[in-house]
Amino acid sequence: KAGVTQTPRYLIKTRGQQVTLSCSPISGHRSVSWYQQTPGQGLQFLFEYFSETQRNKGNFPGRFSGRQFSNSRSEMNVSTLELGDSALYLCASSSIGVLNEKLFFGSGTQLSVL
Amino acid sequence: DAKTTQPNSMESNEEEPVHLPCNHSTISGTDYIHWYRQLPSQGPEYVIHGLTSNVNNRMASLAIAEDRKSSTLILHRATLRDAAVYYCILRDVEETSGSRLTFGEGTQLTVNP
Repeated sequence: KAGVTQTPRYLIKTRGQQVTLSCSPISGHRSVSWYQQTPGQGLQFLFEYFSETQRNKGNFPGRFSGRQFSNSRSEMNVSTLELGDSALYLCASSSIGVLNEKLFFGSGTQLSVL
Repeated sequence: DAKTTQPNSMESNEEEPVHLPCNHSTISGTDYIHWYRQLPSQGPEYVIHGLTSNVNNRMASLAIAEDRKSSTLILHRATLRDAAVYYCILRDVEETSGSRLTFGEGTQLTVNP
């Protein structure tokens, strides 16, 4: 089975631009969650989607948004980029997203905002 | 989620056992203990989880103290590939989203050849 695939692997943007990141979960997985990883704040939960609906959201501004398609693929969008948005964005998938279910993470998209 | 405390870093030699400690003195009766690890340039990877009893799988063992205020992840024979940041995470059974993990700073494990 193919793992969680995130594209692109690296991205460079400038302040004020917007960016869209893509995540393809493991086949059959319906829950997709997104995390931001920075040296200062560590790994932080952004949001989770299940069956095309946002099920949970972390403490991030409204500039961060996402969506999930009927095939469970998910996209994450960041508008009006700030320097502090530079981070590794990780996507994780699981079958139905319940407690004690393993999360499978992708290798992430490294976003640099200049 | 209740807080966990781990050493910032640990060092081990290849082919020796490694014991990674985690303190969680405020753990509640409904908290499960999960471990993930993150290898360089990769996303986190599930290792093991448990509630009260010790657990074993092909990757590691999890030893849980009788009072559940601490736990230890045991790698029986460390390899160079085990060099990673190890995260100890508490998961409340009442958490509405199973995908919401609260990561701490973790322990950076260095394995010497």
